[in-house]
Amino acid sequence: SYVLTQSPSVSVAPGRTATIICGGDNIVGKTVHWYQQKPGQAPIVIMFYDSDRPSGVPERFSGSKSENTATLTISGVEDDDEAAYYCQVWDKSRDHWVFGGGTKLTVL
Amino acid sequence: DVRLLESGGGLIQPGGSLRLSCAASGFTFSDFDMIWVRQRPGQGLEWVSRISGSGSSTFYADSAEGRFTISRVNAANTLYLQIDSLGADDSAVYFCVKPGRGGAAADFGFWGQGTLVVVSS
Repeated sequence: SYVLTQSPSVSVAPGRTATIICGGDNIVGKTVHWYQQKPGQAPIVIMFYDSDRPSGVPERFSGSKSENTATLTISGVEDDDEAAYYCQVWDKSRDHWVFGGGTKLTVL
Repeated sequence: DVRLLESGGGLIQPGGSLRLSCAASGFTFSDFDMIWVRQRPGQGLEWVSRISGSGSSTFYADSAEGRFTISRVNAANTLYLQIDSLGADDSAVYFCVKPGRGGAAADFGFWGQGTLVVVSS
């Protein structure tokens, strides 16, 4: 089955740039979505179709993709960005939907 | 506005069964696939199951195959998830999810607040 790999944690000081990576075999051929989840809350989509921001998501958030890696970049990190971030794709070969294990972003 | 309201969770003994419900509003229910996602305590998100808008096609994660049954009643705007032979590993918050738009590759755009299932004797 298709696997998405994320580092468990990332720490960054306020105002700096956070880079959250999602690894998957030939992920460049898939559509990647990103979700933000704060404790006790349901996830929300923070980036869809690789690099599109839903309305209301700050321009500080951006998405990109290369052959085996998808990246969520948060520029000028704020305290409110502290959350878990998950990548997600559709595995067409099995009609399964797959999440990465999640990355906990800590703002120092 | 899209609203998804899950119910049916609670404390269940191992080996038991339960049926989760999700009441949907704010969109044409039958036009969209619907999805269940779960999150075990302190763990990440796990896709569980998906059903087409008509209900004719269903999809299950490997962990859900055989014990979980997804269904829907479009006339009642309600999604269901039947879980049989519950084990401790099924303890989780179960989220009802609507895709953000059509298509299998679409994002999981709208989430309910979840219903907690605890499997324990």
